[in-house]
Amino acid sequence: DTEVTQTPKHLVMGMTNKKSLKCEQHMGHRAMYWYKQKAKKPPELMFVYSYEKLSINESVPSRFSPECPNSSLLNLHLHALQPEDSALYLCASSRLTGLGGYTFGSGTRLTVV
Amino acid sequence: GIQVEQSPPDLILQEGANSTLRCNFSDSVNNLQWFHQNPWGQLINLFYIPSGTKQNGRLSATTVATERYSLLYISSSQTTDSGVYFCAANTGNQFYFGTGTSLTVIP
Repeated sequence: DTEVTQTPKHLVMGMTNKKSLKCEQHMGHRAMYWYKQKAKKPPELMFVYSYEKLSINESVPSRFSPECPNSSLLNLHLHALQPEDSALYLCASSRLTGLGGYTFGSGTRLTVV
Repeated sequence: GIQVEQSPPDLILQEGANSTLRCNFSDSVNNLQWFHQNPWGQLINLFYIPSGTKQNGRLSATTVATERYSLLYISSSQTTDSGVYFCAANTGNQFYFGTGTSLTVIP
């Protein structure tokens, strides 16, 4: 299994809702990442998990809350988002942080209304 | 962090034409990857190429780490090659994306 699976593929949520994005990989990778991508821009790093511990938080607002329950699973909990948070959210994994190639999931396209 | 610049920003090709995309990076890197982002947003890994040359079908890539650049060659382009091509460089924990090249292949 050489892929990263993200669910859901599309999500529409209101500004008062709470929702979660899920990312799963079974490649034995020990580093997992969340990226945010706006239209016509490159992906921007949000969070890095290494061995299930948060190692990098790129000054992301607290309305985004990551969680890594085990080495295969990464969640992103969303609460009280703003319309400007609408974007493509991409999950990636690599063997270790900074080592080996990155594999990306197909993303969750989020719309906040 | 390092700067990763790609050129050209936009490229329109007739089907069957060849092209070269360039990626310059401002510092030494541990890892250099080329991705193709399709219209649905999926980032597809094309090459993991911190140095040297690799080929995969109509695509090939070369990274000259000492001169801090990488090239992606697309030969005999097809309409399915359309999309945005990103290079991304890793210098430790951080993975820096270039600004991308938007490629349109017309029949």
